[in-house]
Amino acid sequence: ETGVTQTPRHLVMGMTNKKSLKCEQHLGHNAMYWYKQSAKKPLELMFVYNFKEQTENNSVPSRFSPECPNSSHLFLHLHTLQPEDSALYLCASSQGVRGAEAFFGQGTRLTVV
Amino acid sequence: RKEVEQDPGPFNVPEGATVAFNCTYSNSASQSFFWYRQDCRKEPKLLMSVYSSGNEDGRFTAQLNRASQYISLLIRDSKLSDSATYLCVVKELDGGATNKLIFGTGTLLAVQP
Repeated sequence: ETGVTQTPRHLVMGMTNKKSLKCEQHLGHNAMYWYKQSAKKPLELMFVYNFKEQTENNSVPSRFSPECPNSSHLFLHLHTLQPEDSALYLCASSQGVRGAEAFFGQGTRLTVV
Repeated sequence: RKEVEQDPGPFNVPEGATVAFNCTYSNSASQSFFWYRQDCRKEPKLLMSVYSSGNEDGRFTAQLNRASQYISLLIRDSKLSDSATYLCVVKELDGGATNKLIFGTGTLLAVQP
């Protein structure tokens, strides 16, 4: 069992659908992240939460809406996505201190049709 | 200029070879540095942290040059199981309020029998 769990692992959705990705961490960390990884591109930071407060929004379109109800849970709400949004969405968590590494969930592979 | 730059490779090397990866970062205020490993269709996992004094873990040696904003990873006696993408990661702290883990594009290593 990993310290960071993401569900679902795979998701296929139409452009008019609304869906949510869920991330849960059992490591007692205070920082959580959403990353997007498209084919042949580096991981792109989307959002950062520290102590449940959003501290970074990396110019992400509003069709992606994050929610962090507590330090252990992070959601990414999706609506009216485009085919180019198809990618691997990775959640990570870390302690918000210098030198602390991040631990990743296994990701949700999203396909928008 | 990209925040974290790596040679994407691929590096094709025979078993037993020594291979070196380099990485440069643009933000001189960056606080922490890591090498992650990502296997095909899997999440990134921490390989090792990088310290100013340099550090070694078995066959792996990481070094940091803050003056040149340069990070390196050396792998000795390459094994087939070392085949993966190696990601250079830089962590930026903004007064402790913001934690940003910035990833390079990754360098693909293929170790040949």
